[in-house]
Amino acid sequence: DSGVTQTPKHLITATGQRVTLRCSPRSGDLSVYWYQQSLDQGLQFLIHYYNGEERAKGNILERFSAQQFPDLHSELNLSSLELGDSALYFCASSVREDETYNNEQFFGPGTRLTVL
Amino acid sequence: AQSVTQPDIHITVSEGASLELRCNYSYGATPYLFWYVQSPGQGLQLLLKYFSGDTLVQGIKGFEAEFKRSQSSFNLRKPSVHWSDAAEYFCAVVRRSSGDKLTFGTGTRLAVRP
Repeated sequence: DSGVTQTPKHLITATGQRVTLRCSPRSGDLSVYWYQQSLDQGLQFLIHYYNGEERAKGNILERFSAQQFPDLHSELNLSSLELGDSALYFCASSVREDETYNNEQFFGPGTRLTVL
Repeated sequence: AQSVTQPDIHITVSEGASLELRCNYSYGATPYLFWYVQSPGQGLQLLLKYFSGDTLVQGIKGFEAEFKRSQSSFNLRKPSVHWSDAAEYFCAVVRRSSGDKLTFGTGTRLAVRP
């Protein structure tokens, strides 16, 4: 158990819909990362938040957005869903306040999104 | 842009045999290097990491990896494979200036023959 939790585990929805994926980082971790894993694209970085602020964006579509809240949990919002958005979405966290930065990222179990 | 290459998509080894999974990266400076394992239906678990120092790093589950700067490689090894090692293995790199994102290879799926 990495200490990172993600809900829900599975999500089935229809094209055009909007969903929200939730991530709770390890206790004390300030950074949250979102990744997408699909058969055709592999594991792709989407976005990184540190202590509530966006730090970096990767291959994230404009239909997707994320935020990190004051309690450090994060949400990934996916809208106008398309069939191609079906994938496993991972959240990872790193950097405890009381540790020297080392960028080891701990992954949650993922949310499997199926768009029908 | 940095990239990670895992040339072997599938590898099958017999239980008890040795294993080497290849990873090459392209990046101007020494990046941070990682190996992750993903079992079916599971998340990613860190096996080992290299930041600096000794180029031979030990990880969990009996795995080790060697960083070779001259070859831009970070190959994963295990002297004796167990059936429970069957999984997908991902090599990844981080460049801090890129926002600390992990760039992953395409993965190597390991099957273990009884």
